[in-house]
Amino acid sequence: KQEVTQIPAALSVPEGENLVLNCSFTDSAIYNLQWFRQDPGKGLTSLLLIQSSQREQTSGRLNASLDKSSGRSTLYIAASQPGDSATYLCAPDSGGGADGLTFGKGTHLIIQP
Amino acid sequence: ETGVTQTPRHLVMGMTNKKSLKCEQHLGHNAMYWYKQSAKKPLELMFVYNFKEQTENNSVPSRFSPECPNSSHLFLHLHTLQPEDSALYLCASSQGDREGYEQYFGPGTRLTVT
Repeated sequence: KQEVTQIPAALSVPEGENLVLNCSFTDSAIYNLQWFRQDPGKGLTSLLLIQSSQREQTSGRLNASLDKSSGRSTLYIAASQPGDSATYLCAPDSGGGADGLTFGKGTHLIIQP
Repeated sequence: ETGVTQTPRHLVMGMTNKKSLKCEQHLGHNAMYWYKQSAKKPLELMFVYNFKEQTENNSVPSRFSPECPNSSHLFLHLHTLQPEDSALYLCASSQGDREGYEQYFGPGTRLTVT
């Protein structure tokens, strides 16, 4: 059974800093891994999808890397802004579309103005 | 706008009530999912439907009953719920084949059981 751990659980930094959020998973036989953000009381917004054959993906100030063999992914946020404040979730896909995603508890991020 | 809509957005119900949550996806996907998010716990997968067929029931109590009449619509029928069922219920959709396509989530229904 896939298990996902995200470190740190919470992070508060002044704006402008570059950040690294960490995700580890126990079953390396994954099809892909998604990073999401969730604002309080809201649904999930997909940020990046990394296929199992890829090492990284970039979207604007976000860069996600994947080391499938070691069961790790990182989300790098450059030049953080107050609008980046949210909970960030990683979710490896272990079974293709048939089995759904497995989530960690997320990293609660606060960017101080 | 994610292309996945959920209604109602908020629902308060008593333990003896029967209600239904609705999800609709406008993305042409063939797989749909129900997830539950309780306070202080990770999102938990509840049900998966591929091409209208249920392929996953993640040990969910029978007081939750899913229905998928077509690939665009998904319902979650609720009856005789318990206060611990209060949570955010999220619907998602994807292409659903073994390549592992991106999942898109709706805004969720905040359910309170009194």
